[in-house]
This record gives sequence, structure tokens and C-alpha cells, in this order.
Amino acid sequence: NAGVTQTPKFQVLKTGQSMTLQCAQDMNHNSMYWYRQDPGMGLRLIYYSASEGTTDKGEVPNGYNVSRLNKREFSLRLESAAPSQTSVYFCASSAGQATGNTIYFGEGSWLTVV
Amino acid sequence: EDQVTQSPEALRLQEGESSSLNCSYTVSGLRGLFWYRQDPGKGPEFLFTLYSAGEEKEKERLKATLTKKESFLHITAPKPEDSATYLCAVQAVQGAQKLVFGQGTRLTINP
Repeated sequence: NAGVTQTPKFQVLKTGQSMTLQCAQDMNHNSMYWYRQDPGMGLRLIYYSASEGTTDKGEVPNGYNVSRLNKREFSLRLESAAPSQTSVYFCASSAGQATGNTIYFGEGSWLTVV
Repeated sequence: EDQVTQSPEALRLQEGESSSLNCSYTVSGLRGLFWYRQDPGKGPEFLFTLYSAGEEKEKERLKATLTKKESFLHITAPKPEDSATYLCAVQAVQGAQKLVFGQGTRLTINP
């Protein structure tokens, strides 16, 4: 039971570089999310996808883009990384409104921008 | 604006010493209140969902309760393996299935 799988687990970027965080879930969930976690700030929603083919901004979307590639996969892209994007990123998924709304998280991706 | 405040920020207990963690919230129509456990270097692990005031749920040494303004996570006779950060989050009726998180309570149980 893999649940929610994120790659890479660790990444160091230089300012201005781009990268994509990958996320896949094997629970046949409709909704997927990207959160970031910073000390003293808690978990904050970056983007979410309520269902395949849709994406919406969360609380802190600036500097990020997302792609819901198919029902299983939801990627987060940093086009031009900035030191303020140094954080731990969590992908999550849930079944959706109709069938329950517990959100399950992946193990996290540690990103450092220097 | 939906908001969640957890207290205390950190709590140290001796093994077997029971206590409670608090989660105060304001939300424009509560769909659910969630408790998660997070170990260092790991993602949040789901514990409970509470949907209405008066509801209680239990799992081993943990019991979560809910009122119209706050939730408590009671820990009875804790063990060192209960040491973790406990996160509280609310989900509003409006706003899809997004969760708004508190900053967490870091719990340490000394043997």
C-alpha cells in the first residue's frame, strides 16, 4: 500500500532554476493537493485539484504552477526558484465530497533554494 | 477567514501522565475537524475526523472531543512512542475540501 508517493525526497536548487515535484496516488482518489510546511507557519495550501481536469489556487500559489496529468498524478512546478520557496512540500489526496473527505498525505519533499 | 489556533505550542509529560491538547477554531460552517499526528521527517498521519459538537472518537490512548468552538485531544497514560507533533485542521462547508491547519503541538513523553 504505497498511498501517496512523492519524488524527489530531497532537492537543492540554485536561485532561478526550475524543477518539478512529482506526486502519484494509488487510492483512486478524485482530489489532490499540494501543501508547504514552514516553521511557525503550519501547513499552507498551494494548489489543489478537486477532480481530474481541474486545478485551483490555494492560499499561497505565487511562484508555482501545477498539472493534473491524470487521475493518479499531480505535479508541482517551480519555474524560477527563489530562497523563499525553501520549504517542505507535501502532496495529499482525498476521495472527494461524495465519498468522504479525509485527506491523506505523502512523506514530503525537502527543497532548499540557495 | 477560517482560523485554527493550537495550544500549547509544546508540552513535556512523564510517561503515564495524562493531559489534553487544545484546538480553537473559527470557521464559516464546519464540515469537519481533523486531527493528525506528524513524526519528524514524515508526513501527517490521519487520526480522527469530528463532524458535530458533542462527538467523541477514541483510538488507543487518544480521545478527541468537539464543541462549537474548540476540540480537545486527550492523551491518557501516554507512552514515549506517543511523542510527536499533533496537528488540528478544519474543513469548511464552503471552499471545496481544503484544510486549514493550526501550527501544531509538539508533544514529548519522557520515560
